[in-house]
Amino acid sequence: EDKVVQSPLSLVVHEGDTVTLNCSYEVTNFRSLLWYKQEKKAPTFLFMLTSSGIEKKSGRLSSILDKKELSSILNITATQTGDSAIYLCAVFMEYGNKLVFGAGTILRVKS
Amino acid sequence: EAGVVQSPRYKIIEKKQPVAFWCNPISGHNTLYWYRQNLGQGPELLIRYENEEAVDDSQLPKDRFSAERLKGVDSTLKIQPAELGDSAVYLCASSLDLIDNSPLHFGNGTRLTVT
Repeated sequence: EDKVVQSPLSLVVHEGDTVTLNCSYEVTNFRSLLWYKQEKKAPTFLFMLTSSGIEKKSGRLSSILDKKELSSILNITATQTGDSAIYLCAVFMEYGNKLVFGAGTILRVKS
Repeated sequence: EAGVVQSPRYKIIEKKQPVAFWCNPISGHNTLYWYRQNLGQGPELLIRYENEEAVDDSQLPKDRFSAERLKGVDSTLKIQPAELGDSAVYLCASSLDLIDNSPLHFGNGTRLTVT
């Protein structure tokens, strides 16, 4: 069964801290891995990582894909209270174009 | 560009009642998804459309759930009759074209409470 596992389930940090969120996957025919940020509303797209683009960076957020270890990390440096959200990892599979989500990591940044 | 629009934002119904959700995807997006998200979990796919064709509905509980995407644009998801366990957030998403590996863009969801 295709599976995406995120860790930790939840995390509380102070403003200015650096956090690393983990995502591992066991899927058939991997195509790409996506990170989303979900506050109270819709998940908003952060990054897509593929075989041809295994590292992405945007401001204080960065992500790396390790295809050998079947995993990805999402780093957030100098965290702010606005980073508080659920971070979702999802994997696209080649056949059936199926997108499978992990359960998410709940991040809370305290001021 | 306008994002994915869903309505209603919230719905409270009694069990055994019918309910319908509506989704308008981003203009030009051929692929449309309906996901269900339970509290503390990631979204789970219910059905995926390529234009007006449902290409993956393997996770849709067909005894009570139905969906349609007439003319390959707007879509509706219906539950009849609703059960207590259907309480969740129903998310609609759209994407340009999976061949190009374009990401999904989500609407704000409909939070359904079945009492």
